[in-house]
Amino acid sequence: NAGVTQTPKFQVLKTGQSMTLQCAQDMNHNSMYWYRQDPGMGLRLIYYSASEGTTDKGEVPNGYNVSRLNKREFSLRLESAAPSQTSVYFCASSDEDRGQEFFGPGTRLTVL
Amino acid sequence: GENVEQHPSTLSVQEGDSAVIKCTYSDSASNYFPWYKQELGKGPQLIIDIRSNVGEKKDQRIAVTLNKTAKHFSLHITETQPEDSAVYFCAATSLQGLDSWGKLQFGAGTQVVVTP
Repeated sequence: NAGVTQTPKFQVLKTGQSMTLQCAQDMNHNSMYWYRQDPGMGLRLIYYSASEGTTDKGEVPNGYNVSRLNKREFSLRLESAAPSQTSVYFCASSDEDRGQEFFGPGTRLTVL
Repeated sequence: GENVEQHPSTLSVQEGDSAVIKCTYSDSASNYFPWYKQELGKGPQLIIDIRSNVGEKKDQRIAVTLNKTAKHFSLHITETQPEDSAVYFCAATSLQGLDSWGKLQFGAGTQVVVTP
């Protein structure tokens, strides 16, 4: 069991460039999440998907889009990157019966 | 929506001493309170959780207490060791509400440093 995997681990973009962060889980979880982590602000929810085929906005969705490709995969897209999107991004999935969320190792994104 | 406040933001303890981190929450409907540990360069990992039908839960050197009336919960680490150094996050959610189910609201985190 790999758990939750994320690619890439690191990325540097120039302002205005686009990119997609990939996430996959092998725990057969229905729910998946994207968070960003900034110093002193904890983890803030960007988007989530309660089940395959559904997505909903979280606390900070502006500037992002998501796709729940299938039950395993949930991607996060930045269409036109801005320096304010410099952050560490975490994907997570949850066992809804117990509420526990499992996190991936993160993607450190820098936008110049 | 739910708002979670966490204190202190940093905590330095001598090896062998105890560490206590406190969180308060605002939504009385919240009934699930997990604690996560995040080591440098890694994703958060669940270390203990508690549901609103119990007041305390222990797992070896860590324990969590919950006071529903006051809407606060705490993490206690006893006999701290250098490997306990990490950032700890508390979180809260309701596992029953249709709107908030599964969406954890996190505290801002506590950097714990255990010095030998």
